[in-house]
Amino acid sequence: SQQGEEDPQALSIQEGENATMNCSYKTSINNLQWYRQNSGRGLVHLILIRSNEREKHSGRLRVTLDTSKKSSSLLITASRAADTASYFCATGLSSNTGKLIFGQGTTLQVKP
Amino acid sequence: GAGVSQSPSNKVTEKGKDVELRCDPISGHTALYWYRQSLGQGLEFLIYFQGNSAPDKSGLPSDRFSAERTGGSVSTLTIQRTQQEDSAVYLCASTTGTHQPQHFGDGTRLSIL
Repeated sequence: SQQGEEDPQALSIQEGENATMNCSYKTSINNLQWYRQNSGRGLVHLILIRSNEREKHSGRLRVTLDTSKKSSSLLITASRAADTASYFCATGLSSNTGKLIFGQGTTLQVKP
Repeated sequence: GAGVSQSPSNKVTEKGKDVELRCDPISGHTALYWYRQSLGQGLEFLIYFQGNSAPDKSGLPSDRFSAERTGGSVSTLTIQRTQQEDSAVYLCASTTGTHQPQHFGDGTRLSIL
């Protein structure tokens, strides 16, 4: 069963604009990760934020985590056409296996 | 170095046949995961291997599905007596340990006729 709910399901913006995607989850987590998937390809890891962290940056990416609200957001600043892809949040539960529970994803289209 | 390699990239087979999907993880990665991605169900965890520990098979949807990991490296996911609902992309990921970023292969797209 899916743990994460993402919104919006689809987002279309102009190049240069910022894109924000949100993710909510239900149970306690060890970490939350964001992945990107281009059509027909595997997932590419973007950023991992642990449950004791509140914010993390990587280049044009900013991720926040609010464990009290069980939610996270991914912000992509100054978007580029190459950012067009599907973005998934995934929660790593506190169990030993580290298996990920994925949300349904947000499809982002960046128009040149 | 090389990433996670999966083969075949595409597989079309008739209902009722058995299929084997292969995953070659990144060298030195001790943990290996199989996931399934389908339109209706999204991305679902199937099975997890970590070193010599017993695998976590809690995500396998039926006893037609099995997987093994030989020598702590290559893994094979086997689906027996395939059904149309098995059609999906099967993704493999490896990582250095639990609660670390996972590195995915490009998947095997399985189509059951």
